[in-house]
Amino acid sequence: EVQLVESGGGLVQPGGSLRLSCAASGFIFSSYWMNWVRQAPGKGLEWVANIKGDGGVRYHADSVKGRFTISRDNAKNSLYLQMNSLRVEDTAVYFCVSFDLNWGQGTLLTVSS
Amino acid sequence: QAGLTQPPSVSKGLRQTATLTCTGNYYNVGNQGAAWLQQHPGHPPKLLSNSNNNRPSGISERFSASRSGNTASLTIAELQPEDEADYYCSAWDSSLTAWVFGGGTKLTVL
Repeated sequence: EVQLVESGGGLVQPGGSLRLSCAASGFIFSSYWMNWVRQAPGKGLEWVANIKGDGGVRYHADSVKGRFTISRDNAKNSLYLQMNSLRVEDTAVYFCVSFDLNWGQGTLLTVSS
Repeated sequence: QAGLTQPPSVSKGLRQTATLTCTGNYYNVGNQGAAWLQQHPGHPPKLLSNSNNNRPSGISERFSASRSGNTASLTIAELQPEDEADYYCSAWDSSLTAWVFGGGTKLTVL
Protein backbone atom coordinates (compact mmCIF):
# COMPACT_ATOMS: atom_id res chain seq x y z
CA GLU A 1 0.00 0.00 0.00
CA VAL A 2 1.31 3.40 -1.00
CA GLN A 3 1.91 5.71 1.96
CA LEU A 4 2.98 9.34 1.75
CA VAL A 5 3.68 11.34 4.90
CA GLU A 6 4.42 15.05 4.62
CA SER A 7 6.18 17.12 7.25
CA GLY A 8 7.84 20.48 7.69
CA GLY A 9 4.93 22.89 7.47
CA GLY A 10 4.49 25.77 9.88
CA LEU A 11 4.29 29.54 10.27
CA VAL A 12 6.83 31.61 8.35
CA GLN A 13 7.19 35.33 7.81
CA PRO A 14 7.00 36.78 4.30
CA GLY A 15 10.39 36.51 2.63
CA GLY A 16 11.32 33.49 4.71
CA SER A 17 12.28 29.96 3.73
CA LEU A 18 11.12 26.47 4.61
CA ARG A 19 11.69 22.93 3.40
CA LEU A 20 8.89 20.40 3.17
CA SER A 21 9.56 16.66 3.23
CA CYS A 22 7.57 13.64 2.13
CA ALA A 23 8.40 10.11 3.25
CA ALA A 24 7.20 7.53 0.75
CA SER A 25 6.67 3.79 1.12
CA GLY A 26 4.83 0.92 -0.52
CA PHE A 27 6.29 1.28 -4.00
CA ILE A 28 9.64 1.48 -5.79
CA PHE A 29 10.14 5.18 -5.13
CA SER A 30 13.13 5.66 -7.41
CA SER A 31 11.21 4.47 -10.46
CA TYR A 32 8.47 7.05 -10.53
CA TRP A 33 7.62 10.71 -10.96
CA MET A 34 6.50 12.52 -7.82
CA ASN A 35 4.56 15.74 -7.36
CA TRP A 36 3.77 18.55 -4.96
CA VAL A 37 0.28 20.03 -5.15
CA ARG A 38 -1.11 22.76 -2.91
CA GLN A 39 -4.52 23.96 -1.83
CA ALA A 40 -5.06 27.42 -0.38
CA PRO A 41 -7.76 27.68 2.32
CA GLY A 42 -11.17 27.29 0.72
CA LYS A 43 -9.70 27.12 -2.78
CA GLY A 44 -9.02 24.51 -5.43
CA LEU A 45 -5.97 22.40 -6.20
CA GLU A 46 -2.83 23.90 -7.72
CA TRP A 47 0.07 21.87 -9.04
CA VAL A 48 3.41 23.13 -7.74
CA ALA A 49 6.16 20.92 -9.14
CA ASN A 50 7.16 17.42 -10.17
CA ILE A 51 10.32 15.40 -10.60
CA LYS A 52 11.28 12.30 -12.53
CA GLY A 53 12.27 9.11 -10.72
CA ASP A 54 16.00 9.61 -11.22
CA GLY A 55 15.76 13.31 -10.41
CA GLY A 56 17.03 14.24 -13.85
CA VAL A 57 13.95 16.13 -15.01
CA ARG A 58 11.86 18.53 -12.98
CA TYR A 59 9.16 21.06 -13.71
CA HIS A 60 7.80 23.92 -11.61
CA ALA A 61 4.63 25.97 -11.93
CA ASP A 62 5.11 29.54 -13.12
CA SER A 63 3.79 30.81 -9.78
CA VAL A 64 6.75 29.30 -7.89
CA LYS A 65 9.47 29.19 -10.54
CA GLY A 66 12.71 30.68 -9.24
CA ARG A 67 11.51 30.50 -5.62
CA PHE A 68 10.70 26.82 -5.02
CA THR A 69 12.83 23.78 -5.88
CA ILE A 70 11.67 20.18 -5.88
CA SER A 71 14.22 17.46 -5.16
CA ARG A 72 14.40 13.86 -4.02
CA ASP A 73 16.67 11.44 -2.20
CA ASN A 74 15.97 7.97 -3.55
CA ALA A 75 18.21 6.36 -0.92
CA LYS A 76 15.85 7.74 1.72
CA ASN A 77 12.62 7.33 -0.27
CA SER A 78 12.02 11.00 0.31
CA LEU A 79 10.72 13.95 -1.67
CA TYR A 80 11.45 17.56 -0.78
CA LEU A 81 10.26 21.07 -1.60
CA GLN A 82 12.62 23.90 -0.78
CA MET A 83 10.63 27.12 -0.59
CA ASN A 84 12.37 30.51 -0.56
CA SER A 85 11.13 34.10 -0.77
CA LEU A 86 7.79 33.00 0.62
CA ARG A 87 4.73 35.17 0.04
CA VAL A 88 1.40 35.44 1.83
CA GLU A 89 -0.24 33.84 -1.20
CA ASP A 90 1.85 30.69 -0.72
CA THR A 91 -0.27 29.90 2.34
CA ALA A 92 -1.80 26.49 1.65
CA VAL A 93 -1.88 22.83 2.51
CA TYR A 94 0.90 21.15 0.55
CA PHE A 95 0.28 17.61 -0.62
CA CYS A 96 2.82 15.03 -1.75
CA VAL A 97 1.30 13.08 -4.67
CA SER A 98 2.63 9.89 -6.22
CA PHE A 99 2.82 8.99 -9.91
CA ASP A 100 -0.48 7.08 -9.66
CA LEU A 101 -2.21 9.95 -7.84
CA ASN A 102 -2.08 8.68 -4.29
CA TRP A 103 -2.11 11.66 -1.92
CA GLY A 104 -0.58 12.27 1.48
CA GLN A 105 -2.56 13.97 4.25
CA GLY A 106 -0.82 17.27 3.58
CA THR A 107 1.13 19.76 5.65
CA LEU A 108 -0.01 23.33 6.29
CA LEU A 109 2.21 26.28 5.44
CA THR A 110 1.13 29.66 6.74
CA VAL A 111 3.00 32.74 5.54
CA SER A 112 2.15 35.71 7.71
CA SER A 113 3.80 38.51 9.63
CA GLN B 1 -0.92 28.24 -16.12
CA ALA B 2 -4.33 27.89 -17.80
CA GLY B 3 -6.55 25.38 -16.10
CA LEU B 4 -9.37 23.08 -17.07
CA THR B 5 -12.98 24.25 -16.99
CA GLN B 6 -15.53 22.66 -14.68
CA PRO B 7 -18.99 23.90 -13.65
CA PRO B 8 -18.78 25.30 -10.10
CA SER B 9 -21.75 23.34 -8.82
CA VAL B 10 -24.14 20.53 -9.69
CA SER B 11 -27.20 19.43 -7.71
CA LYS B 12 -29.01 16.15 -8.13
CA GLY B 13 -31.46 14.06 -6.14
CA LEU B 14 -30.77 10.92 -4.16
CA ARG B 15 -30.39 7.84 -6.41
CA GLN B 16 -30.27 10.01 -9.52
CA THR B 17 -27.35 10.15 -11.94
CA ALA B 18 -24.95 13.10 -12.12
CA THR B 19 -22.58 13.83 -14.98
CA LEU B 20 -19.72 16.23 -14.31
CA THR B 21 -17.77 17.75 -17.17
CA CYS B 22 -14.23 19.00 -17.63
CA THR B 23 -13.13 20.91 -20.71
CA GLY B 24 -9.56 21.44 -21.77
CA ASN B 25 -7.70 21.47 -25.06
CA TYR B 26 -5.74 19.17 -27.34
CA TYR B 27 -2.56 19.43 -25.26
CA ASN B 28 -4.13 18.26 -22.02
CA VAL B 29 -7.50 16.47 -21.96
CA GLY B 30 -7.58 15.81 -25.69
CA ASN B 31 -4.21 14.14 -25.85
CA GLN B 32 -3.37 13.04 -22.30
CA GLY B 33 -6.79 12.22 -20.87
CA ALA B 34 -8.06 13.45 -17.52
CA ALA B 35 -8.04 11.98 -14.04
CA TRP B 36 -10.88 12.56 -11.59
CA LEU B 37 -10.52 13.22 -7.88
CA GLN B 38 -13.03 13.39 -5.05
CA GLN B 39 -12.44 15.53 -1.98
CA HIS B 40 -14.50 15.70 1.18
CA PRO B 41 -14.00 18.67 3.53
CA GLY B 42 -10.90 18.33 5.67
CA HIS B 43 -9.58 15.35 3.72
CA PRO B 44 -7.04 14.96 0.93
CA PRO B 45 -8.28 14.27 -2.59
CA LYS B 46 -8.89 10.65 -3.57
CA LEU B 47 -8.41 9.26 -7.05
CA LEU B 48 -11.64 8.02 -8.65
CA SER B 49 -10.40 7.44 -12.19
CA ASN B 50 -7.02 7.78 -13.85
CA SER B 51 -6.31 9.39 -17.21
CA ASN B 52 -7.06 6.09 -18.95
CA ASN B 53 -10.54 6.09 -17.40
CA ASN B 54 -9.69 3.19 -15.11
CA ARG B 55 -10.89 3.02 -11.52
CA PRO B 56 -8.41 2.12 -8.78
CA SER B 57 -9.33 -0.91 -6.72
CA GLY B 58 -11.91 -0.10 -4.09
CA ILE B 59 -13.67 2.62 -6.09
CA SER B 60 -17.34 1.90 -6.66
CA GLU B 61 -18.55 0.93 -10.13
CA ARG B 62 -21.06 3.76 -9.75
CA PHE B 63 -18.24 6.07 -10.83
CA SER B 64 -17.39 5.95 -14.52
CA ALA B 65 -15.25 8.25 -16.62
CA SER B 66 -15.14 8.94 -20.33
CA ARG B 67 -13.75 11.42 -22.82
CA SER B 68 -14.92 12.94 -26.08
CA GLY B 69 -12.45 15.20 -27.80
CA ASN B 70 -11.25 17.83 -25.36
CA THR B 71 -13.99 17.18 -22.80
CA ALA B 72 -13.82 14.59 -20.05
CA SER B 73 -16.85 13.43 -18.09
CA LEU B 74 -17.44 11.70 -14.78
CA THR B 75 -20.76 9.96 -14.35
CA ILE B 76 -21.95 9.04 -10.88
CA ALA B 77 -24.90 6.66 -10.83
CA GLU B 78 -27.33 6.01 -8.00
CA LEU B 79 -26.25 9.06 -6.02
CA GLN B 80 -25.72 8.52 -2.32
CA PRO B 81 -25.41 11.10 0.49
CA GLU B 82 -21.68 10.32 0.79
CA ASP B 83 -21.15 11.37 -2.82
CA GLU B 84 -21.64 14.98 -1.77
CA ALA B 85 -18.14 16.39 -2.19
CA ASP B 86 -15.89 18.48 -4.41
CA TYR B 87 -14.78 16.85 -7.64
CA TYR B 88 -11.66 17.87 -9.56
CA CYS B 89 -10.37 16.87 -12.95
CA SER B 90 -6.67 17.03 -13.77
CA ALA B 91 -4.43 16.40 -16.73
CA TRP B 92 -0.83 16.76 -17.78
CA ASP B 93 -0.46 19.58 -20.31
CA SER B 94 2.27 18.68 -22.78
CA SER B 95 2.47 22.21 -24.17
CA LEU B 96 2.81 23.94 -20.79
CA THR B 97 4.81 21.00 -19.31
CA ALA B 98 2.60 21.45 -16.29
CA TRP B 99 -0.09 19.52 -14.51
CA VAL B 100 -3.36 21.44 -14.74
CA PHE B 101 -6.49 21.16 -12.63
CA GLY B 102 -10.07 22.18 -13.06
CA GLY B 103 -11.50 24.63 -10.57
CA GLY B 104 -13.64 21.88 -9.05
CA THR B 105 -17.34 21.07 -9.03
CA LYS B 106 -19.27 21.01 -5.77
CA LEU B 107 -21.80 18.18 -6.00
CA THR B 108 -24.86 18.49 -3.80
CA VAL B 109 -27.08 15.45 -3.29
CA LEU B 110 -30.60 16.62 -2.51
